[in-house]
Amino acid sequence: EPEVTQTPSHQVTQMGQEVILRCVPISNHLYFYWYRQILGQKVEFLVSFYNNEISEKSEIFDDQFSVERPDGSNFTLKIRSTKLEDSAMYFCASSEAGAGGTYNEQFFGPGTRLTVL
Amino acid sequence: LAKTTQPISMDSYEGQEVNITCSHNNIATNDYITWYQQFPSQGPRFIIQGYKTKVTNEVASLFIPADRKSSTLSLPRVSLSDTAVYYCLVGWGSSNTGKLIFGQGTTLQVKP
Repeated sequence: EPEVTQTPSHQVTQMGQEVILRCVPISNHLYFYWYRQILGQKVEFLVSFYNNEISEKSEIFDDQFSVERPDGSNFTLKIRSTKLEDSAMYFCASSEAGAGGTYNEQFFGPGTRLTVL
Repeated sequence: LAKTTQPISMDSYEGQEVNITCSHNNIATNDYITWYQQFPSQGPRFIIQGYKTKVTNEVASLFIPADRKSSTLSLPRVSLSDTAVYYCLVGWGSSNTGKLIFGQGTTLQVKP
């Protein structure tokens, strides 16, 4: 069964450093997402991406965050200057369809646990 | 996206049927109701989606009354491995991006 993969599984970084989290979505999917989950809290939407551009972002997704699809398979989340409060599990997801009443099963990756020291 | 309300936690025993009800009083005409499951340290996983009446798959059933202001996820004969957080999500009929908005979910603890 196809699955979303993410690397690394765990990233430890110093405050102020840049990190890039990588995801390989399911190959025929067109819509890509990043979510994060701070330990013990709910899953929060960060950004959605379609047709090589951001289609929606949350208030969490400020100028420190960026996303890119550098080639036909990878989807990355970059945090330019990490803060302590960026420590969380980051999930990538992908789906065949977007929304508008259509079937919208999103497939989530296993997550990258980011620890900012 | 419609706000949802579901119990914070539930306990059950192996072999029992578990029903988790979600309230979504301001659901829009085009909104779908979807349930996701999340195990500790894993990403959420789609369980079931429906618009009205009853939907059943190999994992669960989803009951939606005519007014669609609530829905009930039914898990038949749960096992210890069904211990997880279950999220009820409503939306997408009027959204053009497909983002998922998760609430706190219902933490189901299945006991032996």
